[in-house]
Amino acid sequence: GESVGLHLPTLSVQEGDNSIINCAYSNSASDYFIWYKQESGKGPQFIIDIRSNMDKRQGQRVTVLLNKTVKHLSLQIAATQPGDSAVYFCAENKNYGQNFVFGPGTRLSVLP
Amino acid sequence: DSGVTQTPKHLITATGQRVTLRCSPRSGDLSVYWYQQSLDQGLQFLIHYYNGEERAKGNILERFSAQQFPDLHSELNLSSLELGDSALYFCASTIGTGRTEQYFGPGTRLTVT
Repeated sequence: GESVGLHLPTLSVQEGDNSIINCAYSNSASDYFIWYKQESGKGPQFIIDIRSNMDKRQGQRVTVLLNKTVKHLSLQIAATQPGDSAVYFCAENKNYGQNFVFGPGTRLSVLP
Repeated sequence: DSGVTQTPKHLITATGQRVTLRCSPRSGDLSVYWYQQSLDQGLQFLIHYYNGEERAKGNILERFSAQQFPDLHSELNLSSLELGDSALYFCASTIGTGRTEQYFGPGTRLTVT
């Protein structure tokens, strides 16, 4: 079944290309920024987080960039695979684990 | 499989009724978070419990309440249900309060008719 709204921004990329998913956040006092992946019919799955005093963090095939000047967060996925097709959410965390505020989500569609 | 379980998977009920959604966190996790995911509002944080105590409230309506029991499972009670309460309800758990890596359950789909 569907897990998110029907009117999400969609990013379509060719398999093997790099993907960049963007997110604007609102609260400059947030402590952490987090990226989640949600596949159809499942709950969100943690991908990577970044502390507010950092500007870049790398994981396995993923990189998160934080630009506090323009309150912008991005998730880069290298060599995008069909299994990466999902909705991606950014989230802000305030009060170190107490409150989480999620963005509207972006649907990533990987083309063969 | 995240290790977080939620029951029931689906729930269909009528307006004005009351339902209880249940969540069992991952073994060892003390924090439970509840979220509502609807088509028009995305994922909304409702409430957070840590080791039985309420720690934070988000956009939770007064008709909704939650609790976390001594065995750490949590229940979300929704009363006087309205059509607009139809949504997916997720719980997530973490080991403590200062962690961002939440583990989400599969969700309960509530349909109010």
